[in-house]
Amino acid sequence: DSGVTQTPKHLITATGQRVTLRCSPRSGDLSVYWYQQSLDQGLQFLIQYYNGEERAKGNILERFSAQQFPDLHSELNLSSLELGDSALYFCASSYRGLKETQYFGPGTRLLVL
Amino acid sequence: AQSVTQLDSQVPVFEEAPVELRCNYSSSVSVYLFWYVQYPNQGLQLLLKYLSGSTLVESINGFEAEFNKSQTSFHLRKPSVHISDTAEYFCAVSRSNYKLTFGKGTLLTVNP
Repeated sequence: DSGVTQTPKHLITATGQRVTLRCSPRSGDLSVYWYQQSLDQGLQFLIQYYNGEERAKGNILERFSAQQFPDLHSELNLSSLELGDSALYFCASSYRGLKETQYFGPGTRLLVL
Repeated sequence: AQSVTQLDSQVPVFEEAPVELRCNYSSSVSVYLFWYVQYPNQGLQLLLKYLSGSTLVESINGFEAEFNKSQTSFHLRKPSVHISDTAEYFCAVSRSNYKLTFGKGTLLTVNP
């Protein structure tokens, strides 16, 4: 158990819909990262937040957004969903980011029908 | 931009045989290197990492990896694998340890 929790574990929805994925980092960790894992794209970094502020952006679509709240949990919002958004979404956390291990949550499996 | 190439998508081996999972990276600057393991239906776990210092790094479960700057490689090795090592292994690179760039993964299957 990494100490990072993600909800829900599974999500099935339809095209055009909007969903919210939630992540609680390990106790004491200030940084949260979001990744997408799909069969065709592999594992891709989406976005990082540090202590409530966006720190780095990766291959995140404009239809996707994220935020980190004062209690340090984070949410990833996916809107206008397309079939190709079906993937496993991972959250990871680390204390700060520099030279520190990222601990991954179990993931949320999203299926868009 | 940095990139990671894992040369083998699948590696089948027999139990107690040695294994090497290959990883090459490209980057114009110094990088940090990582190996993560993903067991079936689970999230990723850090196996080992190279930040600086000794180029040979070891994990607690018998894996080791060697950073080779001239060949831009970070191959993962284990002298004798177990059935329980069956998993997908991801090599990753970071310039600042906040954005990880992953390879496509290598599925290691250990057969009895």
